[in-house]
Amino acid sequence: NAGVTQTPKFQVLKTGQSMTLQCAQDMNHEYMSWYRQDPGMGLRLIHYSVGAGITDQGEVPNGYNVSRSTTEDFPLRLLSAAPSQTSVYFCASSYSIAGELFFGEGSRLTVL
Amino acid sequence: QQQVKQSPQSLIVQKGGIPIINCAYENTAFDYFPWYQQFPGKGPALLIAIRPDVSEKKEGRFTISFNKSAKQFSLHIMDSQPGDSATYFCAASPGSGAGSYQLTFGKGTKLSVIP
Repeated sequence: NAGVTQTPKFQVLKTGQSMTLQCAQDMNHEYMSWYRQDPGMGLRLIHYSVGAGITDQGEVPNGYNVSRSTTEDFPLRLLSAAPSQTSVYFCASSYSIAGELFFGEGSRLTVL
Repeated sequence: QQQVKQSPQSLIVQKGGIPIINCAYENTAFDYFPWYQQFPGKGPALLIAIRPDVSEKKEGRFTISFNKSAKQFSLHIMDSQPGDSATYFCAASPGSGAGSYQLTFGKGTKLSVIP
């Protein structure tokens, strides 16, 4: 039981490049979400999904895209990377509404 | 956007002390209040959570105090240890209805426990 797995752990991009952060969970959780963590800003919700085929925007969705084709996977796409997207990204999953969030170990992204 | 205000930003205590971290919220629809603990290089992990039907909850050395009328809640760590050194986040969400999946986090408190 691996929990929530994120790849890659580290990535450096140039401005304008696109990439996908991968997230997979093996706990059969319906709810999955992406957060970004910046110094002094806490954790801010980017996008979330309440089940396969259903996604919605969080607090800071601009510049990011998501899809949920399976219960297990919830990739986050950066369409055209900007330096403002330099951050640590966390994927999380939960088994229920307002239940415990299980986080991955994070993906550190630097955009030059 | 609904806010959860957390203070202090950082906290240094000696081993055995009782650090207290405070959070305040505005949205009266919030009815689930968890605290997460994060060690460097790791993702946050749930530490303890409370719902507004109780004013206090204890789990080991960790206690949440909740004041519904003041819209405030706090985390106390009894007999703090160097291993408690981490960043702590309070959070809140509505328990049902629109936005119930959207957990709003405070900005975090970096706790250092000195031996």
